[in-house]
Amino acid sequence: KAGVTQTPRYLIKTRGQQVTLSCSPISGHRSVSWYQQTPGQGLQFLFEYFSETQRNKGNFPGRFSGRQFSNSRSEMNVSTLELGDSALYLCASSRRREDYGYTFGSGTRLTVV
Amino acid sequence: ILNVEQSPQSLHVQEGDSTNFTCSFPSSNFYALHWYRWETAKSPEALFVMTLNGDEKKKGRISATLNTKEGYSYLYIKGSQPEDSATYLCAFSGNTPLVFGKGTRLSVIA
Repeated sequence: KAGVTQTPRYLIKTRGQQVTLSCSPISGHRSVSWYQQTPGQGLQFLFEYFSETQRNKGNFPGRFSGRQFSNSRSEMNVSTLELGDSALYLCASSRRREDYGYTFGSGTRLTVV
Repeated sequence: ILNVEQSPQSLHVQEGDSTNFTCSFPSSNFYALHWYRWETAKSPEALFVMTLNGDEKKKGRISATLNTKEGYSYLYIKGSQPEDSATYLCAFSGNTPLVFGKGTRLSVIA
């Protein structure tokens, strides 16, 4: 079966711009979570969505936002990009929140210059 | 703020050596403890999800144990092979989304 698909794989943006990242979960998975990884840091939690509702949000500024659509696909948006937003953004899906074990996508590598 | 600690940060072993890593997590509000393997240029891959104190899980040469009362889990690799080279992440689930440790980077030298 198809895995978790994240697009685009790579992005280069300029400071002040905005960016939208997309995540298509495994068919049947209704929970989607987003994580950020920067050098030297572990995976930092951004958002968790379930059935189009944001269930949890991590400790990130309001420039980071997201949403989930009725087909479980999710997008995250970062506005007014800063150099420190350069990171690998990973999306993970699971069948339901109480389910255990995430399937991760390959990530989107964002570089802000 | 939940803290998940992994040690060591990195490890270099010879092919054939056995090794183990530690994950420490809060012992309160425990729900599950996950282990993932993350190879370079790939996605993190789930190894184990453990929920009960005393749980032991095994997949081939890799096994894990769980102690929820004292808040730690061990991951063991028996007879390390070069293909085991990866970063091993643990993640704690309480009344929160998964909180990840920074990982243990394993390099197996042939």
